[in-house]
Amino acid sequence: AQTVTQSQPEMSVQEAETVTLSCTYDTSENNYYLFWYKQPPSRQMILVIRQEAYKQQNATENRFSVNFQKAAKSFSLKISDSQLGDTAMYFCAFMSTGANSKLTFGKGITLSVRP
Amino acid sequence: DAMVIQNPRYQVTQFGKPVTLSCSQTLNHNVMYWYQQKSSQAPKLLFHYYDKDFNNEADTPDNFQSRRPNTSFCFLDIRSPGLGDAAMYLCATSGSGPSYEQYFGPGTRLTVT
Repeated sequence: AQTVTQSQPEMSVQEAETVTLSCTYDTSENNYYLFWYKQPPSRQMILVIRQEAYKQQNATENRFSVNFQKAAKSFSLKISDSQLGDTAMYFCAFMSTGANSKLTFGKGITLSVRP
Repeated sequence: DAMVIQNPRYQVTQFGKPVTLSCSQTLNHNVMYWYQQKSSQAPKLLFHYYDKDFNNEADTPDNFQSRRPNTSFCFLDIRSPGLGDAAMYLCATSGSGPSYEQYFGPGTRLTVT
């Protein structure tokens, strides 16, 4: 079974600064997908960024980028130029490539962006 | 806009009184999911449909059931809600294949009195 660990329950960052959210996972599979989802207060969950395990290049989406270290089973999210709208709970998630695959979420981290 | 819609957004029910939550989608996705999310916790998958094929998680209580009459709609039935069932219930959809993003609805917050 896969596990996803987010060891930091909460973080705070000053507006315009950069912050990195940590995530580690455990799996015996070689091919899989990793995701970061954002859930703002009282709003719906949306996908921030996705990484395919077979791709060595780290995924980037505007101000969001990941540091994917497959050997270390680490998948951190870097948010550059933090904005007040980035305040949210962030979930790291894993999905295998098998049939009926499903998301395994970490416990999440609450990020607060200070003005 | 294509989206995942959940009704109602807030539902209050009495202890033991059956309740149904609904989800509809305009994305024409063949996979639909129901999650339970308690405060400041990760979503917990209850079950999912791959087309009409129903997949129940091993630890989903028998008290929870689901129906998917067609591609667009999916229902979550809680037969006898207990106080511990108070939570946010999230519906999500995706295309087939693990690389497909899951699109989440806004959720229904269930209160049990």
